[in-house]
Amino acid sequence: KQEVTQIPAALSVPEGENLVLNCSFTDSAIYNLQWFRQDPGKGLTSLLLIQSSQREQTSGRLNASLDKSSGRSTLYIAASQPGDSATYLCAVLATNKLIFGTGTLLAVQP
Amino acid sequence: DAGVIQSPRHEVTEMGQEVTLRCKPISGHNSLFWYRQTMMRGLELLIYFNNNVPIDDSGMPEDRFSAKMPNASFSTLKIQPSEPRDSAVYFCASSLLGTETTDTQYFGPGTRLTVL
Repeated sequence: KQEVTQIPAALSVPEGENLVLNCSFTDSAIYNLQWFRQDPGKGLTSLLLIQSSQREQTSGRLNASLDKSSGRSTLYIAASQPGDSATYLCAVLATNKLIFGTGTLLAVQP
Repeated sequence: DAGVIQSPRHEVTEMGQEVTLRCKPISGHNSLFWYRQTMMRGLELLIYFNNNVPIDDSGMPEDRFSAKMPNASFSTLKIQPSEPRDSAVYFCASSLLGTETTDTQYFGPGTRLTVL
C-alpha cells in the first residue's frame, strides 16, 4: 500500500530564507508527483507536477525534484516571502488515484 | 471560468440527519473527484467519476455515503444518516481527462461539515 510522508510537519522561517520541504513515498510505481498549496479555509492549488520520467520542474521561485528510485521528492522555495505561508502537500498518482501526504505547515515571518 | 463550485460552504447538522453536498466542476472537464480531509486521516479520495460514470468508489466509507453525477456539470455527495465522525471538510475536484499522467486536478473551496 502506497504511503506518503512529509517532513517536517511544521516549519517557521524568517523572510528571505531559502527552504526545502521533503516528501517520501513507499512504492516507486508512480505516474507522477505533484506539489499543492493549501491556504486556510480554501481548496488546494497545484504548484508543480513532475512526471515519473522527469527529475525536476521549476516555476518561479519554486523548484521540485523527484528521485523515484529512492522514493523522495523535495520542494525548494527560494527567497521565501510571508505570502508563501500555507500548508504544502505532495501527492503521488498511482493507479488513477492521487495519494496525499500529511502536509507541511509553513510560516514565513516578516 | 469560475473554477470548481461547491455548496454549501458550511453545514452544521444533527446526528441522523441527511446531508447533501453539491459540486459543479469546471466546464469541459471530464473527471470529477470527491475527497474528505480530516486532521487524523489527511486527504482521502472517496469516489472518482469519468464522463459521469463512477470509476472507483473504493474510498467510500460505508453504505451511508452515496454519490451521483447525473450530468457533466453537477454532482452530489449524500450522507444518510449522518454521524459525528463524518465531520470533516469535503472537497470536490475536477480535471480535464482524469486518466492522463499530465492532468492536474482543480479543487473547489470545500464544504466544512459538522455533525453534532
